[in-house]
Order: sequence, then structure tokens, then C-alpha cells
Amino acid sequence: SYVLTQPPSVSVAPGKTARITCGGNNIGSKSVHWYQQKPGQAPVLVIYYDSDRPSGIPERFSGSNSGNTATLTITRVEAGDEADYYCQVWDSSGDHVVFGGGTKLTVL
Amino acid sequence: EVQLLESGGGLVQPGGSLRLSCAASGFTFSSYAMSWVRQAPGKGLEWVSVISDSGVNTYYADSVKGRFTISTDNSKNTVYLQMNSLRAEDTAVYYCAKFSRLGELSFFDYWGQGTLISVSS
Repeated sequence: SYVLTQPPSVSVAPGKTARITCGGNNIGSKSVHWYQQKPGQAPVLVIYYDSDRPSGIPERFSGSNSGNTATLTITRVEAGDEADYYCQVWDSSGDHVVFGGGTKLTVL
Repeated sequence: EVQLLESGGGLVQPGGSLRLSCAASGFTFSSYAMSWVRQAPGKGLEWVSVISDSGVNTYYADSVKGRFTISTDNSKNTVYLQMNSLRAEDTAVYYCAKFSRLGELSFFDYWGQGTLISVSS
């Protein structure tokens, strides 16, 4: 089955840029989606189709996908961005949804 | 405004059964696939099951296949998850989520607030 690999944690200072990676075999050929989850809350979609933002998501959030790595980039990081972030794809070989293990973003 | 409201959670003994419900509003329910995703305490998201807009096609994670059944009632705009032969490792918050479409481009565009299932004796 398809596996997505994320770093367990990423730390960044306020105002700087955070990059969260999601690795998978030839993930560039898939459509990658990203979710933000704050403690005690349901996940929220922040990026879909690799780089599209739903309405209401700040332009500071962007995504890219190529080769074996997809990346969620958050510029001008704020304290309110501290959360867990998950990548997700559809594995057509098994008709399954696959999530990455999640990355905890800490704002220093 | 899209709303997804889960119910049916609680404490159940190992080997027991439980049925979760998710009442949807704010969109044309019969036009979208629906899904369940769970999250064990302190762990990441785990996809459980999805049902197509027609209700004909259903898919399950290997961890629940043969024990859980997803279904919909379009007259009630509700998706269900029947959970049988429950195990301690099924303990989690279960989220109902609207699926953008079934297939390669699919993602979850709306989520419910979740309902907690505890499997313990």
C-alpha cells in the first residue's frame, strides 16, 4: 500500500517561513491535499490539488508537489499557525485514502 | 453553510457493536461521497471508510474491513457507520467528512466535530 512520510515536527520563529514535507513514491503524479488540525478541533482543509487554497485560507499558505516530495509552505508564520498538519492522497491501486503521519508545527 | 453532526459515540465493551450517525446539511447530500476518519488518542488521522454518492460503491481500510459497514439514507441526509466486533484499538474520535469526489482527485472539504468511541471492559 502507498505510504506518505512526514517529519514528526518542524519548528519556526514567528515571521519566518515553515516548510512541511510529505514524501511518497512518485507523489508528483498524485494530487496532494493538506489539513491543519489544532488541539481539540476537527481538521481543516488548507490546500487541495497540490496548491489550491480554499476560500478563507490565507495566502501565506501554499503548496507544491514534484518528484517524490510534496511541500506545504507557510510564510510569515504566526502563533496561530501552531498545529498538526497532515498530507493526504488517494491510492488508486487499492481505492484507499492515505494520510501522512502528521507534522507538529511549533512556533518558537 | 455545510454542517456535519455526528452522534452515537460512547463506551462499549470489546466484541460489542455501535452505530454512528452523521446528519448533513447545507449541500446536496445525494451528490457527494461521504467518509469516516478516526483519530486514536494522541495519534494521527486514519481513514476508515468512504461511500460513493450513489451509495453503490463502498471502500474500507484493511483494519476495519469485514467489521464495519458504511451506508447512507438520502431521505434523512445521513451517513452511518455500523461497527461490529469492536476492539480496544478501535478507540478513537470518529469524524464524519464530506468527500469532494470519489477517486484520484478526492479530498475532504468539510469535517464534523467528531464523536468519541471508547472500547473497554
